[in-house]
Amino acid sequence: EPEVTQTPSHQVTQMGQEVILRCVPISNHLYFYWYRQILGQKVEFLVSFYNNEISEKSEIFDDQFSVERPDGSNFTLKIRSTKLEDSAMYFCARATLYNEQFFGPGTRLTVL
Amino acid sequence: DQQVKQNSPSLSVQEGRISILNCDYTNSMFDYFLWYKKYPAEGPTFLISISSIKDKNEDGRFTVFLNKSAKHLSLHIVPSQPGDSAVYFCAATAGTGTYKYIFGTGTRLKVLA
Repeated sequence: EPEVTQTPSHQVTQMGQEVILRCVPISNHLYFYWYRQILGQKVEFLVSFYNNEISEKSEIFDDQFSVERPDGSNFTLKIRSTKLEDSAMYFCARATLYNEQFFGPGTRLTVL
Repeated sequence: DQQVKQNSPSLSVQEGRISILNCDYTNSMFDYFLWYKKYPAEGPTFLISISSIKDKNEDGRFTVFLNKSAKHLSLHIVPSQPGDSAVYFCAATAGTGTYKYIFGTGTRLKVLA
């Protein structure tokens, strides 16, 4: 089953700048998720999105983060003012049921 | 708060032998468990899952065992192949809410030819 695509594959930004990471599901799905993995650490849940609304967010997902589906297709994660500790791989995932989530290839964010 | 733990950061196995990767959890609300495989610079790839109503699920070379009383699951790969070399994450979710996954820290498997 096809997964999602994510753009860009690598984003380099200066501290304090805004970044937008994009996720494009191949087909219609109900549930969308963002996870991140800091280098050498485990994959961590950030936020879930269901029916065009945030359904749950972790403590990592503070006011600097936001998600939306601006055109009903793309699913974006915005970080308003990046910090050095935001450097990580960011993964988008989708699911149709409560079972398996399928992950995109990720965006590597490097904050300088 | 490590609700899902993988205590072995790495494992080396000879090609053709069995690989056993272990995972422990603490949250009794978890009722669905999954194993993902991850290569560097790629997203996690789903391997196999198991519901808490079962104690075993098999898919080809991959078998997942669940021991609810011990809050322990394991992934068996038989026979192991060099292409299985990757980082393996176990994940757990509760059957309510948004079904977010809680991942373990991963075990790096190296299958030696």
